[in-house]
Amino acid sequence: GAGVSQTPSNKVTEKGKYVELRCDPISGHTALYWYRQSLGQGPEFLIYFQGTGAADDSGLPNDRFFAVRPEGSVSTLKIQRTERGDSAVYLCASSPSPPPSGANVLTFGAGSRLTVL
Amino acid sequence: EDKVVQSPLSLVVHEGDTVTLNCSYEVTNFRSLLWYKQEKKAPTFLFMLTSSGIEKKSGRLSSILDKKELFSILNITATQTGDSAVYLCAVPGTSYGKLTFGQGTILTVHP
Repeated sequence: GAGVSQTPSNKVTEKGKYVELRCDPISGHTALYWYRQSLGQGPEFLIYFQGTGAADDSGLPNDRFFAVRPEGSVSTLKIQRTERGDSAVYLCASSPSPPPSGANVLTFGAGSRLTVL
Repeated sequence: EDKVVQSPLSLVVHEGDTVTLNCSYEVTNFRSLLWYKQEKKAPTFLFMLTSSGIEKKSGRLSSILDKKELFSILNITATQTGDSAVYLCAVPGTSYGKLTFGQGTILTVHP
């Protein structure tokens, strides 16, 4: 697609429920990233995919968080047993690939705002 | 652990003013520094800086990097209300995909 598409744009759920957030990257982008942004803070890294595999998942806060990208395009971030502290905007980004120079220009989606009551 | 600190945290100016936003960083293996503008939800890319002393310019926005003192500044001249946004600074870490962002500077430009 023309840009990074994220659905849903807003999700309200109750504590303890399971949620899935979807990201559709720019067509042809091999690298996909998930970040989480709390109010008044900058985005925090969660996980990065190169193709189908998670190249770095060091930012996932605990085992309630999991992400997949089975065909190397669309990705789903899954959160089990949601807690109030999970409330944030979840941003997805993609890039053509991580260049050898290490400079990463990510194109971000508009995010999914998750509210856990 | 990589660290990015931005200042000021917020800034209120009037149209036509010039503003300077600051970003200092600590990173194990410096590769680049990036500036993003975030208006609603999606941060949009502004500049990537890799070398000291070389100014990047785009219209009324410009940015420069000082690798010796570990900071960057973003200048906006003749500000307009459309410049109102959160400006984010970030550095990539050891893992290419892992950007460390600062807290952001909230810029508000009044007519």
